[in-house]
Order: sequence, then C-alpha cells, then structure tokens
Amino acid sequence: GQQVMQIPQYQHVQEGEDFTTYCNSSTTLSNIQWYKQRPGGHPVFLIQLVKSGEVKKQKRLTFQFGEAKKNSSLHITATQTTDVGTYFCAGRSTNAGKSTFGDGTTLTVKP
Amino acid sequence: SAVISQKPSRDICQRGTSLTIQCQVDSQVTMMFWYRQQPGQSLTLIATANQGSEATYESGFVIDKFPISRPNLTFSTLTVSNMSPEDSSIYLCSVGGAGSYEQYFGPGTRLTVT
Repeated sequence: GQQVMQIPQYQHVQEGEDFTTYCNSSTTLSNIQWYKQRPGGHPVFLIQLVKSGEVKKQKRLTFQFGEAKKNSSLHITATQTTDVGTYFCAGRSTNAGKSTFGDGTTLTVKP
Repeated sequence: SAVISQKPSRDICQRGTSLTIQCQVDSQVTMMFWYRQQPGQSLTLIATANQGSEATYESGFVIDKFPISRPNLTFSTLTVSNMSPEDSSIYLCSVGGAGSYEQYFGPGTRLTVT
C-alpha cells in the first residue's frame, strides 16, 4: 500500500534559525496536504498542493511539491516559538480513495 | 472551514465496557472520518463514515469493535466496544473540505482504559 515518510522525526532549533521537513511518498501523488498540530491540540490544515513543481507561501512558511509529485517539503524561515508543534504531510495517490498521513516532524524552538 | 465539536473531550473507562464518541459539525458535509492517534504518533484512519450507509473500514479495524453511525450530514458517532488498555488513545473526527481533499479535525477525545 501507499507509504508516506517524513524526515526528520524531530528537529530542535534556536529561535531565528530555519527549519525544513521533507515528505516522501512511495507512489505518485495527486495532491498533498500539510497540517500543524500544537502540543495538546488537534491537527490544523495549513495548505494543499496539487500541481507538479508547485510552490506556495504563507508568511514565513514555504511549501513545495516535487516535479515528480512524489515528494514535498515545508520550510520555515526564522523560526519563532509559536512554530512549535508537529507538522504532518498527508498524501493521496492517484488511485487511492483516501490520504495517508506521514509520521510527522516535531519541531521544538529554543528561545 | 467547518466548526467541529466532539463529546466527551476525555474519559477514563474500565476494560470490557464501551464508549460512544459524538462528532457534531456546524454545517452539512459529505465526508466524515474517524482517526486514532496514539500519543506522539501519527494519525491512523479507522473508517469513513458514510451518510445513509455502512461505514467503510480500513484494514485492521472492524465494525464489531468500532461501530459507526452517520444519521445525517452533520453528525456521526464512533463506539469503541469491549475496551482494553490497548484502546487508550486520542480519537479524532474530521470532515472533508468542499471540492478538495483537505480535512478539518475536531478537538479529539482522549480515552484512557484501565
């Protein structure tokens, strides 16, 4: 079945440093979503990518979808303590009826 | 995005008993899902709750253990039956976005089975 892998599992950064998490799928994806889950909270939808090579930005967050639509990344510039949480990608392959969540990357930010 | 509420927010139950979790949405939605999330882990899809028909279960989850109801387009319940400590987890409902694949999650139900 479809597998979605995320690296790294954990990332500890100093406030102001950049952060990147990578998502890789075993199959070609029709679309991919990114979610953020704060400690003790529930996943919150951030963005969806659909097109090959697509790049979207939300303030300090930059999301990319690979040309082959098998990988994606989330980059945060100049992290802040409010960025703390676990970031999940969820990919839907072209012949699947549901999205598969990656294992998540947990970001901690030291002030 | 839809506003989603879940009841109860948390519960502590004895093994062998059952708990029904409710999910209420403030607008009509086509797609509703139930997930399980172990502490520090990813989300595992239990089933898709279909309005007017039986839920579609994922591999490893069966209707006898996790019966689901979906009486209308704004409400669903998940029952965790004959609970064991291994069922201790956070259970989340989610709804699908209109015309897209993003999901919006409820606040979750934290279940502890003793």
